Amino acid sequence: QQQVKQSPQSLIVQKGGISIINCAYENTAFDYFPWYQQFPGKGPALLIAIRPDVSEKKEGRFTISFNKSAKQFSLHIMDSQPGDSATYFCAASSSGSARQLTFGSGTQLTVLP
Amino acid sequence: EAGVAQSPRYKIIEKRQSVAFWCNPISGHATLYWYQQILGQGPKLLIQFQNNGVVDDSQLPKDRFSAERLKGVDSTLKIQPAKLEDSAVYLCASSPIAGLEKLFFGSGTQLSVL
Repeated sequence: QQQVKQSPQSLIVQKGGISIINCAYENTAFDYFPWYQQFPGKGPALLIAIRPDVSEKKEGRFTISFNKSAKQFSLHIMDSQPGDSATYFCAASSSGSARQLTFGSGTQLTVLP
Repeated sequence: EAGVAQSPRYKIIEKRQSVAFWCNPISGHATLYWYQQILGQGPKLLIQFQNNGVVDDSQLPKDRFSAERLKGVDSTLKIQPAKLEDSAVYLCASSPIAGLEKLFFGSGTQLSVL
C-alpha cells in the first residue's frame, strides 16, 4: 500500500514538445505529492509539489495535474528543452509517516534537439 | 549556502569487506536521511535522524548496516560485511525541521561491490 507506481520508464520527446509522466498511488493517507528531478551524478532536487486540495499546480513550464478520486497525478513539461533531459521521480508522503517520502521508480526523459 | 556534502564520491570494494560513507548536512538542518538508490529505481529510505536521535530505521538491514549521527550534525553510514546486492548509490538528504517536506540531497556515494 506504500507503493507509488510511475510510468513510463523512459520517454523521448522532440524539443518544444510536451512531456507527460504519470504516477498512481494506493495509500489514501498520502497528502503531499512532489516531483524530483535528477541529473546524472547528482542527487534528486525538488521540482514542484502539490497537495490534494487542488487539482492543478503550475510553475513555469511545469504543471502537476492531480486526480484524487483516481489516485493519480502527473507531471506535464511544456515546451520541453534539451536541458530538461534528466530522470524524474514522483513521490508521496503523509503526516502519519513523519513525512517520509515514498518514491516512484523514475522516468528517464530525453529531449532531442 | 553550501549544500549537503558526501564522501567519498565513488567506492569499489570486494564482497565481505566493510565500507563507510560520510555526510555533512546543510548547516542548521535538524533532520538527516540516508537513502539507497539501486540503478533504475527510486531512492529507498534506510534511516531518518532528528538531531542525534533515530526517528525511523525500520528499513535498515541492521545485521550489516549501521548509522550514527553524533552531536546531531554529520553522519556516517557503515556496511559490514558488504554483499553484491549492496551495489547502489547512497544518498544523504537533510531538511531544516522534521515534517518539512522539501529534502535537500547530496550527490551521493556510488558503491560497487565486486
